[in-house]
Amino acid sequence: SQELEQSPQSLIVQEGKNLTINCTSSKTLYGLYWYKQKYGEGLIFLMMLQKGGEEKSHEKITAKLDEKKQQSSLHITASQPSHAGIYLCGADFPGNNDMRFGAGTRLTVKP
Amino acid sequence: DGGITQSPKYLFRKEGQNVTLSCEQNLNHDAMYWYRQDPGQGLRLIYYSQIVNDFQKGDIAEGYSVSREKKESFPLTVTSAQKNPTAFYLCATGQGARGFEKLFFGSGTQLSVL
Repeated sequence: SQELEQSPQSLIVQEGKNLTINCTSSKTLYGLYWYKQKYGEGLIFLMMLQKGGEEKSHEKITAKLDEKKQQSSLHITASQPSHAGIYLCGADFPGNNDMRFGAGTRLTVKP
Repeated sequence: DGGITQSPKYLFRKEGQNVTLSCEQNLNHDAMYWYRQDPGQGLRLIYYSQIVNDFQKGDIAEGYSVSREKKESFPLTVTSAQKNPTAFYLCATGQGARGFEKLFFGSGTQLSVL
């Protein structure tokens, strides 16, 4: 979706390194969602952010939503091979009746 | 074992043929969705249904058809009118006040053209 831009498109990191993935919206959204996809499989819900400035963590993954609710970052601390996959951000926009997705960031973690 | 079952995992379509992708859920969710995923692109919505016997077109409905006769089932037919059907197809159910705040996905069907 051109409404959501993710960067980088792909990322290769050494195991144990930290990394950040960004998701930028062209307009203010109601909610921002992060999903993870293993290759050739369905998406798994990670986190939902609905308030400006909100931050949530799950194990070693932290996601933040900026005050203007147009940009989110996903940060992984001390990456592991199990973190590899495609990370997609999704957004709930005013006036829409469905989730809009970014193109995804493909993460590879080298042991 | 609650979840969403998509079948088959791999499907091949011949020229001029219609094929049907199955999606069954036992999560008791009202809302169901079909997305198409192409390499390097995000998910694009094909059709969605928020209640039995009712469904709405998404952004790329042309060449596809659906039905929702039962709450548990939302099959997608890829018709011969869809000229570029090769893609990964994902079915999802949704929770939340608007039916999609949290989505649950099946494991997908890879459709290829012979």
